[in-house]
Amino acid sequence: SYELTQPLSVSVALGQTARITCGGNNIGSKNVHWYQQKPGQAPVLVIYRDSNRPSGIPERFSGSNSGNTATLTISRAQAGDEADYYCQVWDSSTGEVFGGGTKLTVL
Amino acid sequence: QVQLQESGPGLVKPSGTLSLTCAVSGGSISSSNWWSWVRQPPGKGLEWIGEIYHSGSTNYNPSLKSRVTISVDKSKNQFSLKLSSVTAADTAVYYCARASMDRYMDVWGKGTTVTVSS
Repeated sequence: SYELTQPLSVSVALGQTARITCGGNNIGSKNVHWYQQKPGQAPVLVIYRDSNRPSGIPERFSGSNSGNTATLTISRAQAGDEADYYCQVWDSSTGEVFGGGTKLTVL
Repeated sequence: QVQLQESGPGLVKPSGTLSLTCAVSGGSISSSNWWSWVRQPPGKGLEWIGEIYHSGSTNYNPSLKSRVTISVDKSKNQFSLKLSSVTAADTAVYYCARASMDRYMDVWGKGTTVTVSS
């Protein structure tokens, strides 16, 4: 079965750039999607198909995907960006696969 | 704007069957989307349960496949989840979501908490 690996936590200073990685075997060949989840709330799509932002998502959120690693980048991090972030792909044998999630702390 | 709303019992007895429904409003369940169920145990990450297309085609998480049935009711514009032989490990917040053909989930319900306990 296909697996995605994320760091448990990432910290970033206010106003700096946070990078959250998502590792998977040849993940660069798949479409990667990213979700933000704040406590007590449903997930929200922030990046789809590697690097596309849904309407209403700030330009500060961007994504890339190559080789065995996909990356969500959050520029000029704000206190409101503190949340859990999940990557997700579709695998033909496993179905939808989520990473374990990364807790982003803004210092 | 499409909205999703989960409904169903909040408490299920061990060995029983968990049954939830997701009502779709503001759009048609017969649109070109997959309709998914995702759950999140307390303090843990997201786990995909399965999905259905309006044609009735389904895909399930291999680890849950033997216990899961997802169905669609086009007349009521809703889809449903049944999970059998539940244990305490099935206690979670259950979300329904709309997934595009590229399988990103762009619309989510608010989630409903299901506790498995006697």
